[in-house]
Amino acid sequence: DAGVIQSPRHEVTEMGQEVTLRCKPISGHDYLFWYRQTMMRGLELLIYFNNNVPIDDSGMPEDRFSAKMPNASFSTLKIQPSEPRDSAVYFCASSPVEETQYFGPGTRLLVL
Amino acid sequence: QKEVEQDPGPLSVPEGAIVSLNCTYSNSAFQYFMWYRQYSRKGPELLMYTYSSGNKEDGRFTAQVDKSSKYISLFIRDSQPSDSATYLCAMITGANSKLTFGKGITLSVRP
Repeated sequence: DAGVIQSPRHEVTEMGQEVTLRCKPISGHDYLFWYRQTMMRGLELLIYFNNNVPIDDSGMPEDRFSAKMPNASFSTLKIQPSEPRDSAVYFCASSPVEETQYFGPGTRLLVL
Repeated sequence: QKEVEQDPGPLSVPEGAIVSLNCTYSNSAFQYFMWYRQYSRKGPELLMYTYSSGNKEDGRFTAQVDKSSKYISLFIRDSQPSDSATYLCAMITGANSKLTFGKGITLSVRP
């Protein structure tokens, strides 16, 4: 299996622009997670899905952030409008059961 | 107090040394404990996974959990330069699927 696939790997954008991050989980995994990693705050869970249904979005920082999972093989995390403080590495992870999560390579986002 | 505290590091050791990495936690509901390894500019990868107190060994790596003290450790024997990475502890209650991570410690193994 190719593992969790994320795109783009790097994104540089200007403040106010819309940013869309994409994730393809490992086939057969029922859980999908979106994380954000910064030096200051470490790795933070933003939202997770079970069988394409959002279960907990309490980590989403504000309404500018939204996530969807239209089917079992695709998820998006959207930021609109983006702000410089959104600059971070965003990881997608998937798992067959809750405890064992497999991470993608991440998307490095820089908002100028 | 944060739910999971991890020594901030960084930590630098010579090749062949025994490395001890530690985390403490405050939530007694945590049941499952993991260690993730993250190489520079890569995603975290699951290294060790344990449930309840005790030791679990996998090659040069040993994970130890002491639930009475709310303390977990990862030991690396005969450390190698390829072990140079950031190590993050993580834990989960099992009541939901939310992993709580420590901030990570960066380990450097000098040849």
